[in-house]
Amino acid sequence: GDSVTQMEGPVTLSEEAFLTINCTYTATGYPSLFWYVQYPGEGLQLLLKATKADDKGSNKGFEATYRKETTSFHLEKGSVQVSDSAVYFCALSPSNSGYALNFGKGTSLLVTP
Amino acid sequence: SQTIHQWPATLVQPVGSPLSLECTVEGTSNPNLYWYRQAAGRGLQLLFYSVGIGQISSEVPQNLSASRPQDRQFILSSKKLLLSDSGFYLCAWSRQPYEQYFGPGTRLTVT
Repeated sequence: GDSVTQMEGPVTLSEEAFLTINCTYTATGYPSLFWYVQYPGEGLQLLLKATKADDKGSNKGFEATYRKETTSFHLEKGSVQVSDSAVYFCALSPSNSGYALNFGKGTSLLVTP
Repeated sequence: SQTIHQWPATLVQPVGSPLSLECTVEGTSNPNLYWYRQAAGRGLQLLFYSVGIGQISSEVPQNLSASRPQDRQFILSSKKLLLSDSGFYLCAWSRQPYEQYFGPGTRLTVT
């Protein structure tokens, strides 16, 4: 079935460092792709999305490009802040299912001053 | 704008006791509704989803059940809790089969 795989954490970076969190997917058809962020003790927030190949989602300095040729949707940010410390989830909405989002296991990010 | 509420925020229950968690959505009609569980250090597990009043689909067989008595109300229940039911329970809604929007969650500890 459709699934996503994301890099295992935790990822520890210094403030202002460049961030990449890898996400690859396996799917039949053309899924929509998402990144969610979860701050400690809170629910998930939609960070960005892309619904078709070559789309770039962006929000709050984060970006991810839907790459069909490499089946990837890597999350990037040029300069992380301490406030970006959270768990990041990659997810896909299968093109043949109206209801489920398939989530990756999450990548914990810690940004130190 | 749409908002989603969950309560209680935290709950400590003994093994074998019943459970009722409530989720309500405001500012939209006929949403798809979802219950997820997040165990410590793990990803999200979809438990139930609903596309309308009284329509519940179960993704994982277990001692939990869900009900949707009103359009924007989604309830997660159990008759007898197990230790393994401990976790962070998240409710979510969507208006179309794409992005989902999550509530603040309920932290359940079964002792």
